[in-house]
Amino acid sequence: QVQLQQSGTELVKPASSVKISCKASGYTFTSHYMHWIRLQPGNGLEWIGWIYPGNGNTKYNQKFDGKATLTTDRSSSTAYMQLTSLTSEDSAVYFCAGNYEGHWFAYWGQGTLVTVSS
Amino acid sequence: DVVLTQTPPTLSATIGQSVSISCRSSQSLLHRNGNTYLNWLLQRPGQPPQLLIYLVSRLESGVPNRFSGSGSGTDFTLRIRGVEAEDLGVYYCVQSTHAPYTFGAGTKLELK
Repeated sequence: QVQLQQSGTELVKPASSVKISCKASGYTFTSHYMHWIRLQPGNGLEWIGWIYPGNGNTKYNQKFDGKATLTTDRSSSTAYMQLTSLTSEDSAVYFCAGNYEGHWFAYWGQGTLVTVSS
Repeated sequence: DVVLTQTPPTLSATIGQSVSISCRSSQSLLHRNGNTYLNWLLQRPGQPPQLLIYLVSRLESGVPNRFSGSGSGTDFTLRIRGVEAEDLGVYYCVQSTHAPYTFGAGTKLELK
């Protein structure tokens, strides 16, 4: 059974950084794209980018260039997203979502709430 | 960026009623490889989104066959034949033909 387990809620200060994790199990981590997606009230769902764990290739939504950095640790089947220079506008729920055998966005993590506040 | 326009934004239905949700794209979603990467997702309250339909009309494993998808090019439709209580939530279309991938604004299905 495929599972994506994300790290917990984050309360961070403006101008700081945060790193969210997404641990995958139940499938071959290195063979499928992993996406990161943001959900904000009023803005809906936004695609941040993907990473291919097999070779580390990434593709970003230009809107998040310089804001988000995607990495993986293949030894632990974990994907990471680091967000930098945080402002209140980055407060959101962030999801990881994996492709599987051509099924885009087939599996989702439970989401990580990031609140940016002083 | 591709804009996906979903209608209606809210849908009120009774149990057993059949409903449709429209998703219109600002440009064709036909990829040069011949696939059309248009999916439908359902987000139930307090849950992450769940994949229902991929490649326009293919039912994801485990999804009831009262759900169906159709369309081509720029016009797509999700149909639910006989709404059940567990179908309540927000439905999103999402395209992954053109980067950046984009989502519709969502259609909230609620009980009348």
